[in-house]
Amino acid sequence: SQTIHQWPATLVQPVGSPLSLECTVEGTSNPNLYWYRQAAGRGLQLLFYSVGIGQISSEVPQNLSASRPQDRQFILSSKKLLLSDSGFYLCAWSVGNHGYTFGSGTRLTVV
Amino acid sequence: AQSVSQHNHHVILSEAASLELGCNYSYGGTVNLFWYVQYPGQHLQLLLKYFSGDPLVKGIKGFEAEFIKSKFSFNLRKPSVQWSDTAEYFCAVTFGAGSYQLTFGKGTKLSVIP
Repeated sequence: SQTIHQWPATLVQPVGSPLSLECTVEGTSNPNLYWYRQAAGRGLQLLFYSVGIGQISSEVPQNLSASRPQDRQFILSSKKLLLSDSGFYLCAWSVGNHGYTFGSGTRLTVV
Repeated sequence: AQSVSQHNHHVILSEAASLELGCNYSYGGTVNLFWYVQYPGQHLQLLLKYFSGDPLVKGIKGFEAEFIKSKFSFNLRKPSVQWSDTAEYFCAVTFGAGSYQLTFGKGTKLSVIP
């Protein structure tokens, strides 16, 4: 069966520190992968999406970057976190156009 | 610009009341439409989706939605809500044939009072 793993579940990081959030998918090949950020009252905002290894598209210019080193691995990174990077980050995958499957999310608090 | 609007930020209902959550989008071309639900402390889950065919779509847990193309709407309905329906509901749309990028509304929080 297809599953998606996202970790860590919660993270508290100081301002200026680096960030690395990892997402892996099992049970499917060549998925489209996505990083979303969910903020209270603002819904889900698409940050990055990838249609294949090494192919990253950014939707919103910001302090974050994404990489896809393997077919089923998607990483969200930052070199120096800002307070405004706090939020709930969701990884998702899709194959074709049949809706997304979301991971359990990472609650990031930058202090 | 393409966008998705959910006009109700927070809806409070008593058990057994009927539910309708509004969702509108701005785009004149082909769309695929989704409703997701997020129960407290849980993942986002797909409730139902519409790609083509019968504009009245039935989903899980007794939910349904109707696509009205002339109104650019995809409202979610349930005839009788339960306390367990308390959750946040998100409408989402892909714009354009073959598009796979979901654009979400801001969500509607539903609180059902026993």
